[in-house]
Amino acid sequence: EVQLLESGGGLVQPGGSLRLSCAASGFTFSSYDMSWVRQAPGKGLEWVSAISAGGINTYYADSMKGRFTISRDNSKNTLSLQMNSLRAEDTAVYYCAKVFSGWTPDYWGQGTLVTVSS
Amino acid sequence: QSALTQPRSVSGSPGQSVTISCTGTSSDVGGYNYVSWYQQHPGKAPKLMIYDVTKRPSGVPDRFSGSKSGNTASLTISGLQAEDEADYYCCSYAGSYTFVVFGGGTRLTVL
Repeated sequence: EVQLLESGGGLVQPGGSLRLSCAASGFTFSSYDMSWVRQAPGKGLEWVSAISAGGINTYYADSMKGRFTISRDNSKNTLSLQMNSLRAEDTAVYYCAKVFSGWTPDYWGQGTLVTVSS
Repeated sequence: QSALTQPRSVSGSPGQSVTISCTGTSSDVGGYNYVSWYQQHPGKAPKLMIYDVTKRPSGVPDRFSGSKSGNTASLTISGLQAEDEADYYCCSYAGSYTFVVFGGGTRLTVL
């Protein structure tokens, strides 16, 4: 059974940093592309970033470029998202997702809440 | 404003059919056969219902079906059941620059 467990969310001040992690199990992690998707409170889904199976290629939504960094450790089956220069509008539940066909997610974690507020 | 346009809400009675549309452009929905649909119940993670426009993952009832015409994709739910009441989101690959886009979501109410 595919399991994705996010951690690292919490309250951070504007301009601050936070690192999210996602522990994957139940599939061959190193064989699959992975992504992060977020959902602001009461709002829709927003794609954040993706990384290729080997970790060589990374992709970001325009509003995250230069502030967020996606990475993975295939030896530890872990996906990460380093978020810097956080803004109030980055407040959201961040989901880790296994990528399927056409870079769209199939399995999702339960999410971790990031709140950016002073 | 989301890249893909969905109706804010749809409704239907048990046993009826409803269709949710998802309109994009030739750069996303119309350009690739990589449209997926997700069901999300309150407080839960999204669940994949349809991928590659028309395909159903194992375990998803065949009451759920997908289609596409031009720049508009559609999700049809037939034989509505109370447990189908949820938010539904479409998603499409959008090329190597924009990458992935979502619709704004549609709230399905089972009357």
